[in-house]
Amino acid sequence: DTGVSQDPRHKITKRGQNVTFRCDPISEHNRLYWYRQTLGQGPEFLTYFQNEAQLEKSRLLSDRFSAERPKGSFSTLEIQRTEQGDSAMYLCASSLRGQGTEAFFGQGTRLTVV
Amino acid sequence: GESVGLHLPTLSVQEGDNSIINCAYSNSASDYFIWYKQESGKGPQFIIDIRSNMDKRQGQRVTVLLNKTVKHLSLQIAATQPGDSAVYFCAENGDILQGGSEKLVFGKGTKLTVNP
Repeated sequence: DTGVSQDPRHKITKRGQNVTFRCDPISEHNRLYWYRQTLGQGPEFLTYFQNEAQLEKSRLLSDRFSAERPKGSFSTLEIQRTEQGDSAMYLCASSLRGQGTEAFFGQGTRLTVV
Repeated sequence: GESVGLHLPTLSVQEGDNSIINCAYSNSASDYFIWYKQESGKGPQFIIDIRSNMDKRQGQRVTVLLNKTVKHLSLQIAATQPGDSAVYFCAENGDILQGGSEKLVFGKGTKLTVNP
């Protein structure tokens, strides 16, 4: 296992289309996080899972956003009816234990909505 | 080189100098802090972490200092190299008083440029 893997690395979509991103965490990690990062800013928390349970969601996660982790392994983040304001880097991270444990990030998926 | 003030968007140093990157955090109840390095087009990379029961922690060429009194965190990089050029973010775990949130809250970052 070489780390957190995200697919695709880049996605260009037209406004109004739906997009889905995938994250494969480090295999033994039970916690998985999604963050969003816009240019010049730090990552902003979106949601996190412990195993298959989604335990926390940010107010940033509007109704158009949905995340799943059906088997407690990989996760998907779907954005419906994309808007130009959704253009950002979507980062996935995973960690092994709870608070106070380092989270390892993937390379991110760069979304551009045109 | 040393950053001036609590938050400086950019810091430029000469190769071989020591770098100090500062960060002010917001939540006095946070008990875990991490420094991440992010190169262009890549995800954040873990550098070093520290818990609130510590004032200082050292790694390889890096040292993190925590001053809880003024809610200040710093990252010191010794003998800075061109490969250290990146954006550096501090992160804290926030909202632990609300049931133990797992999320990390990131600062805006400091862009470090190392001149050869």
